[in-house]
Amino acid sequence: AQSVSQHNHHVILSEAASLELGCNYSYGGTVNLFWYVQYPGQHLQLLLKYFSGDPLVKGIKGFEAEFIKSKFSFNLRKPSVQWSDTAEYFCAVTAGNNAGNMLTFGGGTRLMVKP
Amino acid sequence: GAVVSQHPSRVICKSGTSVKIECRSLDFQATTMFWYRQFPKKSLMLMATSNEGSKATYEQGVEKDKFLINHASLTLSTLTVTSAHPEDSSFYICSARVPVGREYQETQYFGPGTRLLVL
Repeated sequence: AQSVSQHNHHVILSEAASLELGCNYSYGGTVNLFWYVQYPGQHLQLLLKYFSGDPLVKGIKGFEAEFIKSKFSFNLRKPSVQWSDTAEYFCAVTAGNNAGNMLTFGGGTRLMVKP
Repeated sequence: GAVVSQHPSRVICKSGTSVKIECRSLDFQATTMFWYRQFPKKSLMLMATSNEGSKATYEQGVEKDKFLINHASLTLSTLTVTSAHPEDSSFYICSARVPVGREYQETQYFGPGTRLLVL
């Protein structure tokens, strides 16, 4: 079974700072990778996803993530954060062999951006 | 993206009563829906996979008689918390998987969640 680790539980940044949130997964086979965001009081929204192809994936709101297979990582980045990026971010994985498409979530990273 | 709704958004009930939560896919047909539970300051925990027209698949440790799931149509799955107790108080979230063939297949889209408080 796959597992996902997000090592940063809480991150506090000032506006315009650069962001990188770590995500590592453990699974021996092909994976599909996702980043979801949950703004305060709102539901989970898909930020970006990787299935195959270019390992650098661009998502909404200026976010991007890079899949590094050798490191089993899918870190989320944004060059310049805004106060409105304050939210909780979840990395998630499904097995690429379509094994029930169960999403396995990381523990989440709570980001606070100070104005 | 695909839209998933949940109803109710918030419910308060007495201990011992049953509560039904609905999850609907609004602009697509979902053969598979998922039910999650989110504890405060924690990540989502998958409870069960709901398949249209068949029995749900429950994760280890989730009582199937406690959390009844019915996926009677391609756009509706329901979760019924039976004989609710205070420890069942939580945030319940459903998701629906866009069917194969759609542009964003294999992606789950989430409902807004239902906050259950059992007194």
